[in-house]
Amino acid sequence: AQRVTQPEKLLSVFKGAPVELKCNYSYSGSPELFWYVQYSRQRLQLLLRHISRESIKGFTADLNKGETSFHLKKPFAQEEDSAMYYCALSGIGAGGTSYGKLTFGQGTILTVHP
Amino acid sequence: DSGVTQTPKHLITATGQRVTLRCSPRSGDLSVYWYQQSLDQGLQFLIQYYNGEERAKGNILERFSAQQFPDLHSELNLSSLELGDSALYFCASNVGRTADTQYFGPGTRLTVL
Repeated sequence: AQRVTQPEKLLSVFKGAPVELKCNYSYSGSPELFWYVQYSRQRLQLLLRHISRESIKGFTADLNKGETSFHLKKPFAQEEDSAMYYCALSGIGAGGTSYGKLTFGQGTILTVHP
Repeated sequence: DSGVTQTPKHLITATGQRVTLRCSPRSGDLSVYWYQQSLDQGLQFLIQYYNGEERAKGNILERFSAQQFPDLHSELNLSSLELGDSALYFCASNVGRTADTQYFGPGTRLTVL
């Protein structure tokens, strides 16, 4: 069974402060991890995925298989980062094929104060 | 707009009724996914179709069914509606190959009274 846990429902920081959104997962196979973001009145969109290992809008996330975590980090938060963030997991089967479906965490609402 | 579209935006109906939600994937995408977002359960995967065939199933109730048509649009049918079915229903699409990014629609908000 797949499970994603985001322990914080709400997270508030001030502009310029570092921010870390936590995500832990449970999956017996090889996981593929994603962060999706939903800005106010916009649709859910991909922020980043672990296999691409790229930084988007200053955010990074490292997959730690030992701790089964995929925390999202940004060194200096901006007001425009205020949004709902979802961590999601997709399983990878034999041969590298993805199972496609996403298992989402409960989401974290990030508020960045001026 | 070449993104994922969903109709209707809002739907209000009564218990026991049946509704159909429609999703048009992005141009070129073969896979369609349906998700339900509710306050208590969060975002939950319901079902996936790939090029007209069911590919994966999540915790979808027997009262719910879906299909994908030859033009690749998909419909989610919800019947014998209960109060607890009130939720936001999202559709997402991608090409359908390994671990592709999913592109989400704006959602349909269903209210069952």
